[in-house]
Amino acid sequence: NAGVTQTPKFQVLKTGQSMTLQCAQDMNHEYMSWYRQDPGMGLRLIHYSVGAGITDQGEVPNGYNVSRSTTEDFPLRLLSAAPSQTSVYFCASSTTLNTEAFFGQGTRLTVV
Amino acid sequence: KNEVEQSPQNLTAQEGEFITINCSYSVGISALHWLQQHPGGGIVSLFMLSSGKKKHGRLIATINIQEKHSSLHITASHPRDSAVYICAARSSPNDMRFGAGTRLTVKP
Repeated sequence: NAGVTQTPKFQVLKTGQSMTLQCAQDMNHEYMSWYRQDPGMGLRLIHYSVGAGITDQGEVPNGYNVSRSTTEDFPLRLLSAAPSQTSVYFCASSTTLNTEAFFGQGTRLTVV
Repeated sequence: KNEVEQSPQNLTAQEGEFITINCSYSVGISALHWLQQHPGGGIVSLFMLSSGKKKHGRLIATINIQEKHSSLHITASHPRDSAVYICAARSSPNDMRFGAGTRLTVKP
């Protein structure tokens, strides 16, 4: 049972480039979310989804897009990377909004 | 706006000691999570609480809804408990706020 799988683990982008961080879960969880973790700021919610076809913004959504075409996958897209998006990104999933969350291993993104 | 504060920021203990980490939040919430972040960076969920108390092995989590306060206790601490412990409070579907974390070091 893989749980929550994030790819890639590390990525370096140039300013202005676009990319997609992948997140997949095999637990049939309805709720999925993306967070970024920055030194001194803690974790912050970027976007979340309560089911296939339903997404919404969290605390820091600017510069990021998401979609949820299937229950399993919840990709995070950076449209035009900026140095301020240098961070560690975590994807998480849970059965519902207020149940135990399972986290991916994280993606360390550097934008130069 | 929900604010979450943890204390202490850093904690060093000797193996076997009883550990308490505190978390306070400012608004009504639907759930509070305790997470453990390993030195390698991975995050594991320890507890999800909406009321009362939960226990898993040597870990105990409590929440007082009226006082807007939660505690994580570790009994008989061990060096493998060394990690960053994070509390997170959800007040609405789009509002999940995290504490800054408590860095715990347990010395043998």
